[in-house]
Amino acid sequence: NAGVMQNPRHLVRRRGQEARLRCSPMKGHSHVYWYRQLPEEGLKFMVYLQKENIIDESGMPKERFSAEFPKEGPSILRIQQVVRGDSAAYFCASSPGAPDSPLHFGNGTRLTVT
Amino acid sequence: ELKVEQNPLFLSMQEGKNYTIYCNYSTTSDRLYWYRQDPGKSLESLFVLLSNGAVKQEGRLMASLDTKARLSTLHITAAVHDLSATYFCAVPRSYNTDKLIFGTGTRLQVFP
Repeated sequence: NAGVMQNPRHLVRRRGQEARLRCSPMKGHSHVYWYRQLPEEGLKFMVYLQKENIIDESGMPKERFSAEFPKEGPSILRIQQVVRGDSAAYFCASSPGAPDSPLHFGNGTRLTVT
Repeated sequence: ELKVEQNPLFLSMQEGKNYTIYCNYSTTSDRLYWYRQDPGKSLESLFVLLSNGAVKQEGRLMASLDTKARLSTLHITAAVHDLSATYFCAVPRSYNTDKLIFGTGTRLQVFP
């Protein structure tokens, strides 16, 4: 049973370019979460999605950031016109929605903006 | 707004010693999670604590939850080098949600 799959593992973008991060949840999981981790810091919640719905995007910056979880295919976190401050590790997590089940995390995408 | 605080932030300890990491949170919650992260790696689930007084143990690690005090502890017994990592506690933002708010993390270094 494959875990949460994220790709790419490493992504380098120049300022002003777009970054697309992908996440395939564990089989049977319908809840997807995106978190951002800056160096030497904890994880900050960004957005919570279920299939075709954004449930909670209270942690997403108002501009340049968007997320989707289509009916078919992986969840996508999209960052337009990246800036240096967007450099971070972006983790995706999934869960089946049961309260006694922890979030299962992917290996993350490390975004570097040059 | 829910705040989750851990202390200490850094912990350097000798092999064979015992120590406790503390996790305080600011609003009521009936659940708490502990995760481990190795440098450059993802987060691994260690413990799921689901009720007041819950205690769970795995190897040299033991976690407990006191929902009335809004406090969880992660106790390390006879530390070994393999336990060197960053440990995070996390609390649901509100009841009946998986959206977790993470603590600041405790970076543990175990030396011979």
